[in-house]
Amino acid sequence: GESVGLHLPTLSVQEGDNSIINCAYSNSASDYFIWYKQESGKGPQFIIDIRSNMDKRQGQRVTVLLNKTVKHLSLQIAATQPGDSAVYFCAENIRETSGSRLTFGEGTQLTVNP
Amino acid sequence: NAGVTQTPKFRILKIGQSMTLQCTQDMNHNYMYWYRQDPGMGLKLIYYSVGAGITDKGEVPNGYNVSRSTTEDFPLRLELAAPSQTSVYFCASRRGSTYEQYFGPGTRLTVT
Repeated sequence: GESVGLHLPTLSVQEGDNSIINCAYSNSASDYFIWYKQESGKGPQFIIDIRSNMDKRQGQRVTVLLNKTVKHLSLQIAATQPGDSAVYFCAENIRETSGSRLTFGEGTQLTVNP
Repeated sequence: NAGVTQTPKFRILKIGQSMTLQCTQDMNHNYMYWYRQDPGMGLKLIYYSVGAGITDKGEVPNGYNVSRSTTEDFPLRLELAAPSQTSVYFCASRRGSTYEQYFGPGTRLTVT
């Protein structure tokens, strides 16, 4: 069936390095993608989103890249800080006859070493 | 705005007991969602609502029920708790004009 998945379940980086978190999706009808950050014991928090008619979107220290040819999404975090340590989820929005809803991947644990 | 609030934060249930997880949002969002998150896993959609009086099943609805009598509230009911329902439950909401969902802090439920 359709699914959203992540290539790497864990990622460890040094403070100041750039981080790249990857996500694969299989539903070509997905029209919108979101990256969420979830700190321990908290609910997911929106980071950045991108529509399917875009290839790249930049925020503050974060960039999302979308490659529709290979159905791949990535989140790049520049100058990673200890406060970036969290689980990161990608989610795709799928339009259905009953409406649209987000489907979440399993998440990648990012650990930033000081 | 308080955003999305959930109560209780933690709860331990015995097998067969019932309980209601409360969710309230003060952002006047039409869309509301209930997810469960098992350890080390992503979010799975239980139920959702596109407005007061309208609810629909998500990916994993068995063992749960919901109601949406007002725009603000979207309670999740567990009728006969089972160990398989041990999880963290998140409520979320969004405006109709965007897809971004705002999440509550979660309810950690243990069924023993």
